[in-house]
Amino acid sequence: GQNIDQPTEMTATEGAIVQINCTYQTSGFNGLFWYQQHAGEAPTFLSYNVLDGLEEKGRFSSFLSRSKGYSYLLLKELQMKDSASYLCAALDSNYQLIWGAGTKLIIKP
Amino acid sequence: DTEVTQTPKHLVMGMTNKKSLKCEQHMGHRAMYWYKQKAKKPPELMFVYSYEKLSINESVPSRFSPECPNSSLLNLHLHALQPEDSALYLCASSQDGTGVPSGNTIYFGEGSWLTVV
Repeated sequence: GQNIDQPTEMTATEGAIVQINCTYQTSGFNGLFWYQQHAGEAPTFLSYNVLDGLEEKGRFSSFLSRSKGYSYLLLKELQMKDSASYLCAALDSNYQLIWGAGTKLIIKP
Repeated sequence: DTEVTQTPKHLVMGMTNKKSLKCEQHMGHRAMYWYKQKAKKPPELMFVYSYEKLSINESVPSRFSPECPNSSLLNLHLHALQPEDSALYLCASSQDGTGVPSGNTIYFGEGSWLTVV
């Protein structure tokens, strides 16, 4: 079966660094997405990884290891506005997105 | 312009009503999607249109009827819905339905909040 696992909830402090992990098992693999979703709003695209390694975009970085079926999203210099759900989604061999349940990130002052 | 526009933002309808949700994108994307999202759950894929043809229907009840009049527009026609169909309906688009790196980034609209009473 196809499965995406990520923690349900994480708490971090403003200004700190947090890493949100995601493991996946899919029928084939064509890349992994991270989306941010604030409560009551639509998901917004953060990153896409298809090759192993780290992709950095400002305060956000995303890492992929295809051999381990593992990805993480790294958020630096946390701000209160980063409080949101972070959704991990893998693209399978049929190019369908398989979504994780999302990680709710709570930022405390 | 990476914008997907959905209307209406909010819709309240009775179980006997017929209504439609509309979605528009002008990014030249050839794949468009309808997702349904309940509170605290990830989006669930309903339909995929690729090059204006329905390519995926995830066993969605017939009370939901998609329509793709042209490559920029996607509609979702609603009829005889149930209260449990109340949810956020998200439209999305991508360059095409294949896994071309970065070209296949999926962009979401702001969603239409549907309440069935």
